[in-house]
Amino acid sequence: DVKVTQSSRYLVKRTGEKVFLECVQDMDHENMFWYRQDPGLGLRLIYFSYDVKMKEKGDIPEGYSVSREKKERFSLILESASTNQTSMYLCASSKNTGELFFGEGSRLTVL
Amino acid sequence: GQSLEQPSEVTAVEGAIVQINCTYQTSGFYGLSWYQQHDGGAPTFLSYNALDGLEETGRFSSFLSRSDSYGYLLLQELQMKDSASYFCAVRGGGATNKLIFGTGTLLAVQP
Repeated sequence: DVKVTQSSRYLVKRTGEKVFLECVQDMDHENMFWYRQDPGLGLRLIYFSYDVKMKEKGDIPEGYSVSREKKERFSLILESASTNQTSMYLCASSKNTGELFFGEGSRLTVL
Repeated sequence: GQSLEQPSEVTAVEGAIVQINCTYQTSGFYGLSWYQQHDGGAPTFLSYNALDGLEETGRFSSFLSRSDSYGYLLLQELQMKDSASYFCAVRGGGATNKLIFGTGTLLAVQP
């Protein structure tokens, strides 16, 4: 079975802190994604990557950066966390199809 | 720009049939996916349509009309466990492997 693992299920950070969210997949997928999910807004794409060291902005990249140094790992970085970044963050991976495999999510609270 | 529209809520009774519609507007289109998400869980893949027509997988079917920028998910013989949020997602938006999600439809199945 495909497994997408997110490093932390729950995080609490303070405003201004640097936050790292890690995601690892074990199925050699080319594509990896970071979404945030907020009530009533669905899943919004922050960044995605189609290859090592390659990244593309999604619809809401402001305040975020990403890193993909190895094929299996895709990291989301909040350089200076703000309260409006309190959210559920979902990582996903895929081959070149419409089927995404999601991790369990990381619920981030910024105080 | 790009947008997906789906109803916010649908209610149906056990054993019934329900259809969840999705209309989309996007630059570049490669296919339409559907995902199910139970409360507190991660989204899971249901179906993907790249070509016009109906795809059937057990009790669930998905339809696509590319000329109308429209698709739907059809759930038959509804069960209580089908109560969940359902998201349509467009593969496209300027990149072959980019997936943009709708805001989701909350399906409530009543006894």
